[in-house]
Amino acid sequence: GEDVEQSLFLSVREGDSSVINCTYTDSSSTYLYWYKQEPGAGLQLLTYIFSNMDMKQDQRLTVLLNKKDKHLSLRIADTQTGDSAIYFCAESDSGGGADGLTFGKGTHLIIQP
Amino acid sequence: DAGVTQSPTHLIKTRGQQVTLRCSPKSGHDTVSWYQQALGQGPQFIFQYYEEEERQRGNFPDRFSGHQFPNYSSELNVNALLLGDSALYLCASTSQVQDVLTFGAGSRLTVL
Repeated sequence: GEDVEQSLFLSVREGDSSVINCTYTDSSSTYLYWYKQEPGAGLQLLTYIFSNMDMKQDQRLTVLLNKKDKHLSLRIADTQTGDSAIYFCAESDSGGGADGLTFGKGTHLIIQP
Repeated sequence: DAGVTQSPTHLIKTRGQQVTLRCSPKSGHDTVSWYQQALGQGPQFIFQYYEEEERQRGNFPDRFSGHQFPNYSSELNVNALLLGDSALYLCASTSQVQDVLTFGAGSRLTVL
């Protein structure tokens, strides 16, 4: 079945860039998402990319997609303490999650002062 | 503009009981999805409702059922609760012209 893999933890120093990686197995993935979850909260959409794109930039966030290798990454520039959270990669074959989003287990981003 | 609202925020049940969770979608949204997020895991898709009908379903048993009302709000019902049903239940809404889901803060269910 479909699978999304992420490393569980990433530790970075405040002010450095964070790069969170994700791999997926579904060849028909059309939409790829990054969500952020803070303790006790729901999921906040950070950004998403269509499978026909290689890169998308939105302020401090840069998403890179290597469709051949089924690899997605999220780069957060100038990481701040407020970026400390769990980051989920997700994929879907259709927009609006009509067939359900498949999520990874999440990457805990830890910020060191 | 209120986003997705869920109730209750927390609840405790015992094995074998039944639970109903409620969700009001974001204004302008007509499609509601439910996800289960166990501790330390990513959310898993339960089902999606549109036009008061279940449109898609994930790999969950029939103990999990839902309903969508004419005002687009939705309920998730879980019967014969098991310890393994303890999780954060997330509701998400969207519209047919959008590519993204907006999630609520979730209902945390503990089964003892």
